[in-house]
Amino acid sequence: QSVLTQPPSASGTPGQRVTISCSGSTSNVGSHAVNWYQQLPGTAPKLLIYSNNQRPSGVPDRFSVSNSGTSASLAISGLQSEDEADYYCASWDDSLNGVVVFGGGTKLTVL
Amino acid sequence: QVQLVQSGAEVKKPGASVRVSCKASGYTFIDYYLHWVRQAPGQGPEWMAWINPRSGVTSYAQKFQGAVTVTRDTSISTTYMELSSLTSDDTALYYCARGYGRTGRLQQWGQGTLVTVSS
Repeated sequence: QSVLTQPPSASGTPGQRVTISCSGSTSNVGSHAVNWYQQLPGTAPKLLIYSNNQRPSGVPDRFSVSNSGTSASLAISGLQSEDEADYYCASWDDSLNGVVVFGGGTKLTVL
Repeated sequence: QVQLVQSGAEVKKPGASVRVSCKASGYTFIDYYLHWVRQAPGQGPEWMAWINPRSGVTSYAQKFQGAVTVTRDTSISTTYMELSSLTSDDTALYYCARGYGRTGRLQQWGQGTLVTVSS
């Protein structure tokens, strides 16, 4: 059972806009930035968005996030076949001496 | 460029311990937290621990407290993760990752070390 809750799957057709939600609590998402990771098969997770809406170099602006209280959402516009991957949200959590918590992941299928 | 190079795959028997290393290069080692994250086959990432290389202060996920020890050697820019009392449930890819302060931002990841626990 992951601390952050994500839907297990999402899908869309090329060109569509899809969103993936991430729900937490006041000790994590409600107090700290949500970071999003993309994982392609056989590779390490790759940081996609950090500090709520900053993108590392090379990440297209088709990826964006929004936040509301203890929830966050990743939006992918102009969906492309190469976006088919697993997506994870993660956040700092104030419990113990400060920990990182992940969502269980959402498998995005491009139909 | 920032690189995190991890030690090679390990095969261990149940009840044994394993130590995985992660050598950092391309930046000032003591300036960034280092995290350990594992991923079992077909599962999502599971955060285990972080270490502040400057102070040596660590934090562990509740699940791993008492079972995992993270240390560092600043003279060789290397962090170590030791996991004890292994069971088959510990079979996973183990990653180190460079973090930014007290955030969940893990920007660079090592290549991963496969630990297989089998009798």
